[in-house]
Amino acid sequence: EAQVTQNPRYLITVTGKKLTVTCSQNMNHEYMSWYRQDPGLGLRQIYYSMNVEVTDKGDVPEGYKVSRKEKRNFPLILESPSPNQTSLYFCASSFGDSMNTEAFFGQGTRLTVV
Amino acid sequence: DAKTTQPTSMDCAEGRAANLPCNHSTISGNEYVYWYRQIHSQGPQYIIHGLKNNETNEMASLIITEDRKSSTLILPHATLRDTAVYYCIVRGSSGTYKYIFGTGTRLKVLA
Repeated sequence: EAQVTQNPRYLITVTGKKLTVTCSQNMNHEYMSWYRQDPGLGLRQIYYSMNVEVTDKGDVPEGYKVSRKEKRNFPLILESPSPNQTSLYFCASSFGDSMNTEAFFGQGTRLTVV
Repeated sequence: DAKTTQPTSMDCAEGRAANLPCNHSTISGNEYVYWYRQIHSQGPQYIIHGLKNNETNEMASLIITEDRKSSTLILPHATLRDTAVYYCIVRGSSGTYKYIFGTGTRLKVLA
């Protein structure tokens, strides 16, 4: 089954404790991205990757890092989480660099930073 | 990327067609109209997309006006499971291929 898998689904952590949210897709997609969703603000793009070893900032990259060492994986790293990073996070993937292709989203990771 | 405007909420009777409008008056020639929906806090689910022509798939139909300044998503026979937030997105020329989600339309299907 074609899917984007995120782990963990729920995470409560403390300020400053490094964490990684994993994202994996099994569709051989080149393009992957991370979004965060906050009430009243919709989904906002954090980082994206056009292919292996190619990443770039989205609209809200501060406080986040990403890496793309393999095509299927695109982890989101919070080196020193803060309470304002409490949010619902989604990973997405799609084929190539065409506008004529839909994205597949993961089921989300609800992160709480206390 | 062009901005979209959608009604905040709509109700629809179960079994009836749900027609969800979207305005995108600043859309440019190479930008696509996409529709996604989000049920509760699950990941957005792709529904349909189009450029100029009307499109239909197993989930819905997309009607795009000739001037492309607006579109309508049609769920032909709404069920309770179609209750969700529906996002109309114009995707195209930003160069990052990202989806710019607005606040969407909260559709409630009533029994």
